Amino acid sequence: LAKTTQPISMDSYEGQEVNITCSHNNIATNDYITWYQQFPSQGPRFIIQGYKTKVTNEVASLFIPADRKSSTLSLPRVSLSDTAVYYCLVGGLEGTGKLIFGQGTTLQVKP
Amino acid sequence: GAVVSQHPSWVICKSGTSVKIECRSLDFQATTMFWYRQFPKQSLMLMATSNEGSKATYEQGVEKDKFLINHASLTLSTLTVTSAHPEDSSFYICSARGFGALTDTQYFGPGTRLTVL
Repeated sequence: LAKTTQPISMDSYEGQEVNITCSHNNIATNDYITWYQQFPSQGPRFIIQGYKTKVTNEVASLFIPADRKSSTLSLPRVSLSDTAVYYCLVGGLEGTGKLIFGQGTTLQVKP
Repeated sequence: GAVVSQHPSWVICKSGTSVKIECRSLDFQATTMFWYRQFPKQSLMLMATSNEGSKATYEQGVEKDKFLINHASLTLSTLTVTSAHPEDSSFYICSARGFGALTDTQYFGPGTRLTVL
């Protein structure tokens, strides 16, 4: 399983765009990149998933360079309610599909 | 879609008793479910992988006789913490493997807070 590295914490202000970058140098060919959001005392919530290039949904964008050794989660115009821990994980269809969580990035959005 | 529930959401028990936690995939079938535990201010730690109709696979360091996992159907997995002790107090989270936009994706339950007195 590919190991991921993210910044431990980030601060932002309401209305700003936030970019969280994750390194996964050992990503395998059939691994996908998935980001989750977790609030205190809740289970992680799926945000977005991608394989390469750019993926966008109603809440975020995911940018993946050609070498796939990193990815960047982009949250447009954050609000106070986006304060949470964000996890980047890599995994694929092979094997059990299990995911190993890293430490995640604690995003603090300030008014 | 892709909703996973857990029951109970919290439980308090006395030391030495057993506690069962249920994990259900409500709107999809999950051949594989996973159990995690999370201590305060820490990340999720994978405990075991549960496959429908077969024995669970436990991560290194997780006592299989203490944390009994049963995955009897495609929508239900249970975790039983046997002879619970205060050090077992934690936040237990399950996930179910379903098909996302691109590939298999894990969808997580809301978690169960276990407090052992």
